Amino acid sequence: DTEVTQTPKHLVMGMTNKKSLKCEQHMGHRAMYWYKQKAKKPPELMFVYSYEKLSINESVPSRFSPECPNSSLLNLHLHALQPEDSALYLCASSQDPGHRTDTQYFGPGTRLTVL
Amino acid sequence: AQKITQTQPGMFVQEKEAVTLDCTYDTSDQSYGLFWYKQPSSGEMIFLIYQGSYDEQNATEGRYSLNFQKARKSANLVISASQLGDSAMYFCAMREAQRRANSKLTFGKGITLSVRP
Repeated sequence: DTEVTQTPKHLVMGMTNKKSLKCEQHMGHRAMYWYKQKAKKPPELMFVYSYEKLSINESVPSRFSPECPNSSLLNLHLHALQPEDSALYLCASSQDPGHRTDTQYFGPGTRLTVL
Repeated sequence: AQKITQTQPGMFVQEKEAVTLDCTYDTSDQSYGLFWYKQPSSGEMIFLIYQGSYDEQNATEGRYSLNFQKARKSANLVISASQLGDSAMYFCAMREAQRRANSKLTFGKGITLSVRP
């Protein structure tokens, strides 16, 4: 089973709202990722959690705040977003980020619209 | 410098025929991994196939195979017996430098494949 789940599927929020995206995996994977993807573009890495610790932050604005409560859960807290933050947000997980054959498995994504 | 190059802007294939999607890459590492993902209009990125730089044989996974030419730094995806459900965007990706806690994928721009009935 290579399932990564994400909720909600769609989210519409105003620029003053606070919302959270949730990602969950039960495959025992040790790394989890957040990506942002604009239409017709490749995904852009935002954050990586490895063994529940933030290992990569790709200079993401502070209005995006990741959280990894445990090895199965990954949240992305959103606050004071801009319309240009509207995108598909993808979560991924992988078994062992240090292994040569490590493969990332993605969730279905959350389509975010900021008004 | 662009590390993954996918230059085909859009591809069309007749149902039941085979199609090749091109990918070239650039790296100075000896150890790296190459991946192909499929993204239908629904948005989910679906892992298709993996090829390691030290793998001597081309990877295969059902109808998907990878034509790996290391000297030419190319990793083309071959889809045999195309189906209507294969219509999607396809991304080639690479991971270099197997350092712990650094598992970044570099994606190409993607190729749109349309399968005609």
